[in-house]
Formats: sequence, C-alpha cells, structure tokens
Amino acid sequence: AQSVTQLDSQVPVFEEAPVELRCNYSSSVSVYLFWYVQYPNQGLQLLLKYLSGSTLVKGINGFEAEFNKSQTSFHLRKPSVHISDTAEYFCAVTRNTGGFKTIFGAGTRLFVKA
Amino acid sequence: KAGVTQTPRYLIKTRGQQVTLSCSPISGHRSVSWYQQTPGQGLQFLFEYFSETQRNKGNFPGRFSGRQFSNSRSEMNVSTLELGDSALYLCASSWASEQTYNEQFFGPGTRLTVL
Repeated sequence: AQSVTQLDSQVPVFEEAPVELRCNYSSSVSVYLFWYVQYPNQGLQLLLKYLSGSTLVKGINGFEAEFNKSQTSFHLRKPSVHISDTAEYFCAVTRNTGGFKTIFGAGTRLFVKA
Repeated sequence: KAGVTQTPRYLIKTRGQQVTLSCSPISGHRSVSWYQQTPGQGLQFLFEYFSETQRNKGNFPGRFSGRQFSNSRSEMNVSTLELGDSALYLCASSWASEQTYNEQFFGPGTRLTVL
C-alpha cells in the first residue's frame, strides 16, 4: 500500500535560518511527487513538483526539493525563511492505478519566529 | 484564467440530512478530485473523475458519492450526514489525461459543519 510520512509535525525556526521539511513515501511503482502549502482558511497551493527528469526541483518562494529514489524521500528545503513562510506544508504522492490517486502526508506546521 | 471555484464556501447541516457540494474546475481541465480535510485525519482522497467517469475512489462509505458533467464541473453528495462528516472539502482539478499527469490546482474548499 502507498503511504506518505512527514517526519515532523511541527518545525519552529527563526527568521532567516535554513529549514528542511522531511517527507518519505512508500510505493512499488513510479510516482509523482509534490509539495503544497496551505495558509489558514485557504486551499492548497503548489510549491513544487517532481514528475521526471532532474532530481533537484525548484519551486516558488525560494523552496527546493530533492527526489531520492533509493531512500524514497522528497525533502523540502529553503536556505532562509521569512515570517510569511509560516504555514502548513503537505507532501503528496500520486500514482497511476488506472486512474490517478494522490495520498497526502499528515502535514508539517512551519512556524517562523522573529 | 479563473481558478477552481467551489460553492458554497460554508454550510451548516444537521445529522441525517444530505448535502451537495459543487466544484468548477479550471477551463480545459478534465480531471477533478475531491478530498476531505479534518484535523484528526488530515487530507484524505475521496474520488477522482475524468471525462464523467469515476476512475479512482478512496476508502469512504457509500454515503459519499459524486459525479462529473460533460463540462467537467463536478458535484459531491453526502447522504445521511454524521457529526464526523464535519470537515473542509477540497476540490482539485488537473489537465491530466488518461496516462499523463500534472499538478492539481485546489479550490478554496467548502467548510461543512454538521450539528
């Protein structure tokens, strides 16, 4: 069965510090990988995606992630965070099972402190 | 290009009632998926529709159903509402075809409260 594990439920960090949000997944078939951000009372916004090709993907707002197939990981990083990055971040994995099914991780709440 | 729209944004219902939620995807998108988001269970996949056909379904009881129209608009119905159905229901659309996939674009959600 497919699963997505976000290893940290909450990550507090000071402004301008680097951050890494961890995501591991399990799947026996090829997958597509995504990171989404959700601000309070809003829907989800795509940060970045891995569909194929280069394993290092860059997204919006200075975020990047690296797909590691051997470790089945897709960790999200940002070298310097801002107060405005405070939000919930979701890792998602999609696979084709005769239709596309997406499983989300439980989310990581990033809290950026001044 | 207009984003994914969901109506209504907020709903209050009582146990035993039924509810219909509506989703209008981005123009040109043929795939529509629905998710339930709760603090306890997080984001859970309900179903995916493509060209009016349900292609995939999550682990929800039969009280949860949906459909997609020829213009790709989708509706989700929940019958015999239970307190545990209180959640944010998110709709997402994608231009995924039968074999290729791209990212989903999410609507703002419908907040359903069951009393």
